[in-house]
Amino acid sequence: NAGVTQTPKFRVLKTGQSMTLLCAQDMNHEYMYWYRQDPGMGLRLIHYSVGEGTTAKGEVPDGYNVSRLKKQNFLLGLESAAPSQTSVYFCASRTATRQGSNTGELFFGEGSRLTVL
Amino acid sequence: EDQVTQSPEALRLQEGESSSLNCSYTVSGLRGLFWYRQDPGKGPEFLFTLYSAGEEKEKERLKATLTKKESFLHITAPKPEDSATYLCAVQAGTGNQFYFGTGTSLTVIP
Repeated sequence: NAGVTQTPKFRVLKTGQSMTLLCAQDMNHEYMYWYRQDPGMGLRLIHYSVGEGTTAKGEVPDGYNVSRLKKQNFLLGLESAAPSQTSVYFCASRTATRQGSNTGELFFGEGSRLTVL
Repeated sequence: EDQVTQSPEALRLQEGESSSLNCSYTVSGLRGLFWYRQDPGKGPEFLFTLYSAGEEKEKERLKATLTKKESFLHITAPKPEDSATYLCAVQAGTGNQFYFGTGTSLTVIP
């Protein structure tokens, strides 16, 4: 059982280049999330999805796009990378309900470290 | 605005020296408070969920408690392998989003 898998783990881009980060989960979770983690800032939500075919903006969505064409996959795209997008990106997923309520712990991937020069 | 604040930012303990980490929050409609452990270069690992004031959860040397305004993570007789960053998160409102604190970096010295 792999859990949440992120690819690639490391990437270096030049300003203006584009790329896609892939997140795959094998737990049949409905909810998926993309966060970025920067020193002193904590984890900040970029975009999330409450189910296949849905996406929604989080705290810091500018410069990013996402797609959830399949339930198990959540893609994060950078159309034109900027140095401010240098960060560690984490994908997470969770089940829709626990104890009959919309709650439940997040399961995280190992992270993708992106450097934009 | 929903906020989560963790203190201290960093904590150094001698092995066996018990202490507590704090997570204070101001949110509307708390659905759950979560504690995670994060090792360097790794993703956060789930530890506990607390749903209502007065609730407590324990796991080995860790005990999490919750009041209406804050949560504590008590570490009893810590060992060097407990060294990590501990993150607190709250789920509130519609429940679709989670708000994270900036974490407490714990170092346990042998």
